[in-house]
Formats: sequence, structure tokens, C-alpha cells
Amino acid sequence: QVQLVQSGAEVKKPGASVKVSCKASGYTFTTYFIHWVRQAPGQGLEYLGIINPSGGGTSYAQKFQDRVTMTRDTSTSTVYMELTTLRSEDTAVYYCARASETATPFDYWGQGTLVTVSS
Amino acid sequence: EIVLTQSPDFQSVTPKEKVTITCRASQSIGSSLHWYQQKADQSPKLLIKYASQSFSGVPSRFSGSGSGTDFTLTINGLEAEDAATYYCHQSTTLPQTFGQGTKVEIK
Repeated sequence: QVQLVQSGAEVKKPGASVKVSCKASGYTFTTYFIHWVRQAPGQGLEYLGIINPSGGGTSYAQKFQDRVTMTRDTSTSTVYMELTTLRSEDTAVYYCARASETATPFDYWGQGTLVTVSS
Repeated sequence: EIVLTQSPDFQSVTPKEKVTITCRASQSIGSSLHWYQQKADQSPKLLIKYASQSFSGVPSRFSGSGSGTDFTLTINGLEAEDAATYYCHQSTTLPQTFGQGTKVEIK
């Protein structure tokens, strides 16, 4: 069955970076796009960007353009999302989600990774 | 970016009642509007894709309609397990965006 398994919770200090992983299984890794979405405590869903695991191409939301990098490792079917220069407002659960094309719905989601930014 | 506005923000409903949630887009998005259900401490789950198509395994009491800028999610005969927050999502334009969510509580 399709699974997206994310790395564990992280606690970071302001100004640090965090790298969250999302390991895919149960389907052909390079045939689906991966999006990243975050959710601050008690808040709604916020879109970060997309990566094409086939060629590695990415597109980021303008708000995160200068702080986020998405990469992939096809040998392990894993996608990574790195966010730099963390601030307290980046405290959130970060989700990866699968989609068949760039403009299609997210049919499977990871379990989420809580990133806490605190001094 | 395209702004999605849901209404209401909160709804308290008796079991078996009908629930209607609306989502309005700031510009036309055709039918590229999808609905998700998020229960407490869980990841969102896809319910309805492309405004009106049910995702695999979703109970038939969930249905969607609309196109252009105005969309509706309907739950016919609410069940206790439907207590959750519901989000609309547009995939037509990057950055993709979500509505603010509608929390449905069971009375």
C-alpha cells in the first residue's frame, strides 16, 4: 500500500535549519510529485512547494523562496525539505503529500513532522 | 495568489442532520477544487476531487458540487465519526492554496 513516512520531531533554536525527510513506498517513486504543506498549532494548512522526484525540478511558494530547498534521493525513494533561518513562527507540523501531476489533488499524506523553534 | 474563503468557520450539528460547507475562490478555478477531512491529531485525507468526484473509499454521504468560483461540500446524514475540520484546496495555480477550514462538531 502507498505510504509516506516522515522523520521524527525536531526542536531547533532560532536561526538554525531543519531538514525533514519523507520516504515513499508502495508505488513507483518517480511517477508522482511530492508537495510540502505545513500547519501551525491550531491553524490551517499552508503550502510550501513541490518537487518532481523524476528530474528533481522544484517550485516554491514565494513566501518561502529564499529559505526552503526540496531535494530527492531516488536510490532510497526519499524526498527532503530543508528550511533555513528558522524563527518561532515556523513552529508547525510539516506534511509531505503525493500528487499524480503538478495540478492534481493530494491523494496520500505523510504522518507529519512537528518542528518546534524555541530558544 | 488565489484566496479560498470557507463558510462557516464552525458548525455544531446533530447526528443525521445535513451539513453544507461552502468555499469561494477569489478568481475562477474551473473544477480544480478538492476537499479534505482532518480529524484531531491526524493528517488530512482526500474526500472529494475536482469539485464533485468522490475519492476511493469515501462514504457516499459525502458529495461536492460547483465550478468557477463557488463550491459546496455536503454531508448527507452526519455521523459521529465525521467530527473534523474540512478544508478546500485549489490546485490550478501555484502557489496552491487552502481555505481556512470549517470545524464540524457533533452536538
